[in-house]
Amino acid sequence: EAGVTQSPTHLIKTRGQQATLRCSPISGHTSVYWYQQALGLGLQFLLWYDEGEERNRGNFPPRFSGRQFPNYSSELNVNALELEDSALYLCASSRGDSSGANVLTFGAGSRLTVL
Amino acid sequence: RKEVEQDPGPFNVPEGATVAFNCTYSNSASQSFFWYRQDCRKEPKLLMSVYSSGNEDGRFTAQLNRASQYISLLIRDSKLSDSATYLCVVNMRYTRLSFGAGTTVTVRA
Repeated sequence: EAGVTQSPTHLIKTRGQQATLRCSPISGHTSVYWYQQALGLGLQFLLWYDEGEERNRGNFPPRFSGRQFPNYSSELNVNALELEDSALYLCASSRGDSSGANVLTFGAGSRLTVL
Repeated sequence: RKEVEQDPGPFNVPEGATVAFNCTYSNSASQSFFWYRQDCRKEPKLLMSVYSSGNEDGRFTAQLNRASQYISLLIRDSKLSDSATYLCVVNMRYTRLSFGAGTTVTVRA
């Protein structure tokens, strides 16, 4: 069974540009979560999607946005990139979940570098 | 105050030793608790869920203290392969999982 897949693995952008990160959940999982992990820091919650709907959003500015497609894959968009957006972006999926309490399976992450 | 706080460590222990560390959470309504493990530059992976009565998984023992709002992880007979960052994870129903910043454990030969 394929795990959570993320693309691209690495992405280099310059300040002011836009970045799009993609995530495919495990087959049968309908919830997708996005986390940011800056170097040396913990995971910061970004977004949670379940059944195509945004369930919860972390304390990030509006230039961080995303969506979940009918096939449950998801996209994270970061507009007007800033240097401090450089981080590992982790996507995780879980079975259909309205409580947010399910066990998460993470992808290997997309490392975004902003120059 | 952070939702989930952990001692960052590092805890440097010899092989075979026992190491234990705690994690505190701020919201008394938290309902689900987990420990995840993250190896250097890798994604987090579930180590174990934490149940109210405490639970063991091989050399790993997790405890929950709701009155004092903390969970603990104890590793017995440490192996070199136990070297990792251990993430405490807490959830309130209908909200997302909150991760602690992690406790780093280094097991030396």
